[in-house]
Amino acid sequence: DVKVTQSSRYLVKRTGEKVFLECVQDMDHENMFWYRQDPGLGLRLIYFSYDVKMKEKGDIPEGYSVSREKKERFSLILESASTNQTSMYLCASRGAGRRSNEQFFGPGTRLTVL
Amino acid sequence: AQTVTQSQPEMSVQEAETVTLSCTYDTSESDYYLFWYKQPPSRQMILVIRQEAYKQQNATENRFSVNFQKAAKSFSLKISDSQLGDAAMYFCAYRSAEVQGAQKLVFGQGTRLTINP
Repeated sequence: DVKVTQSSRYLVKRTGEKVFLECVQDMDHENMFWYRQDPGLGLRLIYFSYDVKMKEKGDIPEGYSVSREKKERFSLILESASTNQTSMYLCASRGAGRRSNEQFFGPGTRLTVL
Repeated sequence: AQTVTQSQPEMSVQEAETVTLSCTYDTSESDYYLFWYKQPPSRQMILVIRQEAYKQQNATENRFSVNFQKAAKSFSLKISDSQLGDAAMYFCAYRSAEVQGAQKLVFGQGTRLTINP
């Protein structure tokens, strides 16, 4: 079974702190994604990566950065956390190729910024 | 840019009955994929069913089926014989098959489905 794991299920941070959210997948997938999920807004893409050291901005990249030094790991970084970044963060991965359809999700990290 | 709209924030159904969740999308592309994902409370999001736009036949997975109307850009999910375990947030999603690269998913707002015993 494909597994996508995230470092924390719940996280509480203070405004201005630097926050790292880690995601690891074990299926050698080329593509990895970070979303945030907010009620009434669905999932919105923050950043994605299609290869090691490659990254692309999603729809809402402001206030976030990412790192992908190894194929299996994709990190989301909040340089200076703010209260409007309180949200559920979901990581996902998918194999390469047009017909590689299924995107696998991690369990999510619920981040609260005080 | 593509958009996906789920106009029903919440739905409820009696156990063993049938419920249909609505989804519409907007795209100028002709080759794409559509998905329904399920997110149970406090559990991981999983794929329920997928549809390839070039296929006219509606996809079916056990009690889950879709009504794909390409001209109307509509992609509804029908759940038959609803079970308590079907209670979840359901997301409709779109992915282009035409664009090179990672081909991101575009999600709707979600529909929370409650099953009444």
